[in-house]
Amino acid sequence: GAVVSQHPSWVICKSGTSVKIECRSLDFQATTMFWYRQFPKQSLMLMATSNEGSKATYEQGVEKDKFLINHASLTLSTLTVTSAHPEDSSFYICSARKTSGINEQFFGPGTRLTVL
Amino acid sequence: GDSVTQMEGPVTLSEEAFLTINCTYTATGYPSLFWYVQYPGEGLQLLLKATKADDKGSNKGFEATYRKETTSFHLEKGSVQVSDSAVYFCALRVTGGGNKLTFGTGTQLKVEL
Repeated sequence: GAVVSQHPSWVICKSGTSVKIECRSLDFQATTMFWYRQFPKQSLMLMATSNEGSKATYEQGVEKDKFLINHASLTLSTLTVTSAHPEDSSFYICSARKTSGINEQFFGPGTRLTVL
Repeated sequence: GDSVTQMEGPVTLSEEAFLTINCTYTATGYPSLFWYVQYPGEGLQLLLKATKADDKGSNKGFEATYRKETTSFHLEKGSVQVSDSAVYFCALRVTGGGNKLTFGTGTQLKVEL
């Protein structure tokens, strides 16, 4: 159990367009989900914490109007990169924490975004 | 702020060799420490953890001991296998930090026959 999926696994888009990435907990409910960004040869950087039914909490330096997060259900959170630019190209990873039980994050496989 | 430093990779070893991946940390407060593993094409998986000084986390033959005096949590395995080839991330979580994880940069391990 505790499987997290992301869709799409990779996406290429043109500069100025918006891209939506989905994060789903497949076999458990997740009140809290986390969105990370990873640059090549660098660590995962937490972008925001997403709580079901409430506004996301963004880390310092992350533009909330550019990275829109919606956690509308206990199994789905979405990250929308608005008006994407080449510098937004990165690897985006989500994780989910079970609503009840152990305090552990379960990670998705990541989404590679390339903005041309 | 909190940070994790781990050795750069890639680390290339022959099968059955001894593995050490160094990890040191700085933290405000008393952190829990973790090692995650990421196999190709998969998400990060928790490998082992330790929540207080001198605790030893272990799993699948891997071990790491929480050393408060040296602020370290080095990952070791006595005999690696080809199937251990993956990227390993050291991470910490500070109590009261909202369950936020702070990661190191990851170390790629390649095990060859």
